[in-house]
Amino acid sequence: DVKVTQSSRYLVKRTGEKVFLECVQDMDHENMFWYRQDPGLGLRLIYFSYDVKMKEKGDIPEGYSVSREKKERFSLILESASTNQTSMYLCASSYSLRGTYSSYEQYFGPGTRLTVT
Amino acid sequence: QQQVKQSPQSLIVQKGGISIINCAYENTAFDYFPWYQQFPGKGPALLIAIRPDVSEKKEGRFTISFNKSAKQFSLHIMDSQPGDSATYFCAASRDAGGTSYGKLTFGQGTILTVHP
Repeated sequence: DVKVTQSSRYLVKRTGEKVFLECVQDMDHENMFWYRQDPGLGLRLIYFSYDVKMKEKGDIPEGYSVSREKKERFSLILESASTNQTSMYLCASSYSLRGTYSSYEQYFGPGTRLTVT
Repeated sequence: QQQVKQSPQSLIVQKGGISIINCAYENTAFDYFPWYQQFPGKGPALLIAIRPDVSEKKEGRFTISFNKSAKQFSLHIMDSQPGDSATYFCAASRDAGGTSYGKLTFGQGTILTVHP
């Protein structure tokens, strides 16, 4: 069964702290994504990675960085957490396009609700 | 810039009724339009998807209607059930076979409540 796991379901951090969110997938997917989910704004892409050590900025990368040292693991880093980064963070993974549209399907983890005080 | 606009933000339907959620997009290069369903405490999961070469796709009680000229697509849930209560997101992706890596642009989400 497809599985994407995230290191924490709930996290409370203080302003200025460095925060690490971890995501692991067991499907040998090439692509991994980090989104934040906010009411009324939907899911917004922060960063994604299409291969080990490869990454590209999404729509809202400011204040975030990522790391992908192994294929199955994708980390989101908040260098200096701020209150406006309080949100639900979702990780997802997918296969690279292999000639069929079904390859677009993204599999999501359960999310980490981060509160920055 | 929101490239996919979704409405309504929330929807209340009686059991057995029809739920309709609408999305409009701007980028004509989009070539894949999925809908994701999210239950409380869970991540979104793919519900149904359509490509722009067909105008409708049906899977059980769920139907996507697609209007390429109007750049709109909608999700219809027939015979809505309390178990359908969830948040629904439309999305769009472009450049099949290119370098988009299947990136999805999501709508704002619709919270659907189906009353018994």
